[in-house]
Amino acid sequence: QSGLTQPASVSGSPGQSITISCIGTSSDVGYYNYVSWYQQHPGKAPILLVYDVNQRPSGVSSRFSGSKSANTASLTISGLQAEDAADYYCCSYGGSSTVIFGGGTKVTVL
Amino acid sequence: QLQLQESGPGLVKPSETLSLTCTVSGGSISNSNYFWGWIRQPPGKGLEWIGSIYYTEKAYYNASLKSRVSISVDTSKTQFSLRLNSVTATDTAVYFCARHHLISYDAFDIWGQGTMVTVSS
Repeated sequence: QSGLTQPASVSGSPGQSITISCIGTSSDVGYYNYVSWYQQHPGKAPILLVYDVNQRPSGVSSRFSGSKSANTASLTISGLQAEDAADYYCCSYGGSSTVIFGGGTKVTVL
Repeated sequence: QLQLQESGPGLVKPSETLSLTCTVSGGSISNSNYFWGWIRQPPGKGLEWIGSIYYTEKAYYNASLKSRVSISVDTSKTQFSLRLNSVTATDTAVYFCARHHLISYDAFDIWGQGTMVTVSS
């Protein structure tokens, strides 16, 4: 299994919306509706933002939303805020009780 | 609420075995709804799933590490452990333990703070 492909960086101005893509294959992202997204600030553990493609855990802002089309999953951050500057990782079920992570995307708030 | 805490040596010599333990507090490791996993992150790089274990001791591993890794669980101590043998410098990383759901397998909802392990002589 190869890692999922994410853009190295995405940037936006405060208040704007940005979208981070996560490209997998027909064996992982494209086959299962088990895609999650994590936010990680420097030196901290990742935080779960979205799971099962578009479900948000309680306590996570509605500004974070997930979607999927074919082999590509996406995370959209609306109303971008300074505190959204962080690294973001996607994750997919890979079948046979395995998990695959993306390479990560650095979000910069201009 | 449920908390996870990693522990173990911060320095391991090349060719030796890396051993870490994750202690679960504030909840049961025998909860049938969850798996318990290990994820690592080399300095400046992304996350890599190492493997996960169920309270019944059934474990699953990343194919790229399977020949060197073993994960075990001790329900009496509410701990699960990672062993990675024949380590090299490329195994230098922050190692996280985390809980994920049996059905929503992608959902790692509770994480430990992580522990840095350096492989060096």
